[in-house]
Amino acid sequence: GQNIDQPTEMTATEGAIVQINCTYQTSGFNGLFWYQQHAGEAPTFLSYNVLDGLEEKGRFSSFLSRSKGYSYLLLKELQMKDSASYLCAVLDSNYQLIWGAGTKLIIKP
Amino acid sequence: DTAVSQTPKYLVTQMGNDKSIKCEQNLGHDTMYWYKQDSKKFLKIMFSYNNKELIINETVPNRFSPKSPDKAHLNLHINSLELGDSAVYFCASSPQTDFSYNEQFFGPGTRLTVL
Repeated sequence: GQNIDQPTEMTATEGAIVQINCTYQTSGFNGLFWYQQHAGEAPTFLSYNVLDGLEEKGRFSSFLSRSKGYSYLLLKELQMKDSASYLCAVLDSNYQLIWGAGTKLIIKP
Repeated sequence: DTAVSQTPKYLVTQMGNDKSIKCEQNLGHDTMYWYKQDSKKFLKIMFSYNNKELIINETVPNRFSPKSPDKAHLNLHINSLELGDSAVYFCASSPQTDFSYNEQFFGPGTRLTVL
C-alpha cells in the first residue's frame, strides 16, 4: 500500500529552527510537495522537490532523498505565525497526490 | 479577488437530506478537484475534472456526484447524507492534468456537519 509518515505534533521556540520529517512508500514517485495549513484554513503551497537535494526559499527549505524515501522541511527563525500544520504529499506513478496526515507545529514564545 | 471560492463555508444538516456545495475558480485553470479532510486531518482526493471531464473518481459512495457545467466550476452534490459524511470539503484547482510541479490552489473549505 501507499504510506506517508510524519510526526503528529512538534513544539519549538520562537526564533529557533525546526525540522519536520516525512518518509514515504508509494508506487512510483513524481515529486514531493509541502503545504502549510493554518487551523480552519485551506492548505497553501510551500515547496516542490523532485530531485535529490536541498531547495531553499527564504526561511523555509525542503530536502529530498529519493533513495531513502525521505524528505524534511526546515523552518528557520521561527515566528509565531508559523504555528500551523505542515502536510507532506507525494505524487505517485499515476500522478495522484498521496497526502500525509500532517504535522501540527506549535511555536512557544 | 478570490482565486478559488466555495459556498457555503458552513453547512449543518440532518441525516438523509440532499445538499450541494459550489466551487468556482477564476484562475483559468483546466483542472479542478474535490477533497475530503476528516477529523484525523487526512486529505483524500474524491474527484478530479479536467476541462469538464472526469479524470479521477476515487472510491467514494455514489451518493456523491460532481457536476462541472464549465471548466471554472465544479459542484458537489451529496444525496442521503450520513453521519460519516461530516468533514471539511476542499475544492482545488491546478493549471493542468499532469501534477508535475503543479501547484494546487485550494478553496477555503466547506465544513459539513451531519446531525
